[in-house]
Amino acid sequence: NAGVTQTPKFQVLKTGQSMTLQCAQDMNHEYMSWYRQDPGMGLRLIHYSVGAGITDQGEVPNGYNVSRSTTEDFPLRLLSAAPSQTSVYFCASSYEPRSYEQYFGPGTRLTVT
Amino acid sequence: GQQVMQIPQYQHVQEGEDFTTYCNSSTTLSNIQWYKQRPGGHPVFLIQLVKSGEVKKQKRLTFQFGEAKKNSSLHITATQTTDVGTYFCAGNNAGGTSYGKRTFGQGNILT
Repeated sequence: NAGVTQTPKFQVLKTGQSMTLQCAQDMNHEYMSWYRQDPGMGLRLIHYSVGAGITDQGEVPNGYNVSRSTTEDFPLRLLSAAPSQTSVYFCASSYEPRSYEQYFGPGTRLTVT
Repeated sequence: GQQVMQIPQYQHVQEGEDFTTYCNSSTTLSNIQWYKQRPGGHPVFLIQLVKSGEVKKQKRLTFQFGEAKKNSSLHITATQTTDVGTYFCAGNNAGGTSYGKRTFGQGNILT
């Protein structure tokens, strides 16, 4: 199993550009989530999904969209990048939201200039 | 909303010394999980505690869940250089209204 994969590893965007961060898992996990990590802020939940076709907002959803058309994939779209979205983004998955460990991808380091 | 706080945020210890970090939630948790993140890496699951007052051990690491299920601690005995990293706690609200939302603390950086 590849586990949780994320692409790209690094990305630089200009303010106003849009892009999609890719996340995929091959463990047949129902639950997938996106976090951003900023210094001193820990991991903050952006959006999550409890299954294909079901998504919901986390703590910091503004400026981001998600969709879950398959169990395996959970892309995160930045609609119009802003410098405040400079961060490290982690995708995670688990068998179930409450009672199981989350497996994290390697992360995407995004810089918005 | 639910808040999970970790104290302290930074700790520096000499190799061989003990280390303890604490995690406090503003609400009652259904469970608490601990993760470790090495510098430049991604969070890796360490353990999950579910029961009130539960204590679990992993070699030199001892994890405890409070009686009220609102706080937790991680204690490392005789730290080694391999223990360096950031330790996060994460909890799910015991109430049913936030199914799927796991809140992470801000982490404790151990050097």
